[in-house]
Amino acid sequence: DAGVIQSPRHEVTEMGQEVTLRCKPISGHDYLFWYRQTMMRGLELLIYFNNNVPIDDSGMPEDRFSAKMPNASFSTLKIQPSEPRDSAVYFCASSFFPRANEKLFFGSGTQLSVL
Amino acid sequence: DAKTTQPTSMDCAEGRAANLPCNHSTISGNEYVYWYRQIHSQGPQYIIHGLKNNETNEMASLIITEDRKSSTLILPHATLRDTAVYYCIVRVGSSGSARQLTFGSGTQLTVLP
Repeated sequence: DAGVIQSPRHEVTEMGQEVTLRCKPISGHDYLFWYRQTMMRGLELLIYFNNNVPIDDSGMPEDRFSAKMPNASFSTLKIQPSEPRDSAVYFCASSFFPRANEKLFFGSGTQLSVL
Repeated sequence: DAKTTQPTSMDCAEGRAANLPCNHSTISGNEYVYWYRQIHSQGPQYIIHGLKNNETNEMASLIITEDRKSSTLILPHATLRDTAVYYCIVRVGSSGSARQLTFGSGTQLTVLP
């Protein structure tokens, strides 16, 4: 299995531009998570989906952030307009189920730099 | 969720056992102990989890004290590739939400040659 695949690996953009991050979860996984990691705040859960439906988006920082999961094999996280404080590493993770023996499988992340 | 306390950093000699402690003195009866690690520039990786019994898998062993207030992750023969930040997480089981998998600051383990 190729694991969770994220693209792009690195993204550099200017303030005000739209940014789209992409994620392909592991086939057969029915949960998908978007995390953000910064030095100041560590790893934060932004949103997660179950069977393509958003379940909890309370971690999304503001309306500039949106996430979609049009099908079981693809999800996007969009920032519009982007700001320098959005600079971070964004991770996507997938899982079979959030039960007691839950194991999250993380992608390699997208390093976002907003200038 | 119970809070966890881990040392900020630890060193270990290559080939020796690495013992990473975690304190979770306010853990509840239905909360599990999870360990993840994050190697530099990679996403976190699941290592192991347990409720009250000691657990072992191909990566590590997890020792949970009888009162469940602390645990130790053991890497039996550390290699340079085990250098990473190790996160100890306590969360409820099947009734919990994904939000409860909260990553703290972790322990930076450095394996020295």
